Amino acid sequence: IVLTQSPATLSLSPGERGTLSCRARQSVASPGLAWYQVKPGQAPRLLIYATSTRATGVPARFSGSGSGTNFTLTITGLEPEDFAMYYCQQYGTSPPFIFGQGTKLDVK
Amino acid sequence: EVQMVESGGDLAQPGGSLRLSCATSGFTLSSYALAWVRRAPGKGLEWVSVISGSGAVTFYADSVKGRFIISRDNSKDIFFLQLNSLRADDTAIYFCARASSTVHPFDLWGQGTPVTVSS
Repeated sequence: IVLTQSPATLSLSPGERGTLSCRARQSVASPGLAWYQVKPGQAPRLLIYATSTRATGVPARFSGSGSGTNFTLTITGLEPEDFAMYYCQQYGTSPPFIFGQGTKLDVK
Repeated sequence: EVQMVESGGDLAQPGGSLRLSCATSGFTLSSYALAWVRRAPGKGLEWVSVISGSGAVTFYADSVKGRFIISRDNSKDIFFLQLNSLRADDTAIYFCARASSTVHPFDLWGQGTPVTVSS
């Protein structure tokens, strides 16, 4: 499975809505799509698993959706701390665990 | 506190070896699969290896198979990645992470330890 994230860079302002895409070359077996947030010098953070379930402590402004080969991470009402790298990941079958190449969300 | 802390990253020569450690606290290590993920400069995350809770099952990315060895010591709440036959393209920040099993997402990560392979 190859995961392609788009756009590579998304420039938005605080308060706006961010929509990040993750497309698979072949269908991702349920429930296996997760999203992570990565900031420089910090531990990566699991945001979403099973396509749409928020991990513990993740704010409700983060939501995941999709099925098959098309998945989306939506951030409604961007906060300053949300500007970071975001990666989707396929899991749930035998390794390898495939990551997308990432989307950089930066301040406009 | 629930945490994972990597150590052991360093500058190594091509063909050399390093041993990375990940010390854990705040949870029962044997209940989790453990993994290493890396991020090379200017690139995205790349899964490297995973080991089951008991240590009986291991998997490796093709890029490191035969060169890296993952292991764990549940009694000491620590696990390891032995890096052998290092190459320049192994240069990366190495993160340790845990998962409920070898087929679950990584719900807790460390902050990473840098490995540089250069002569």
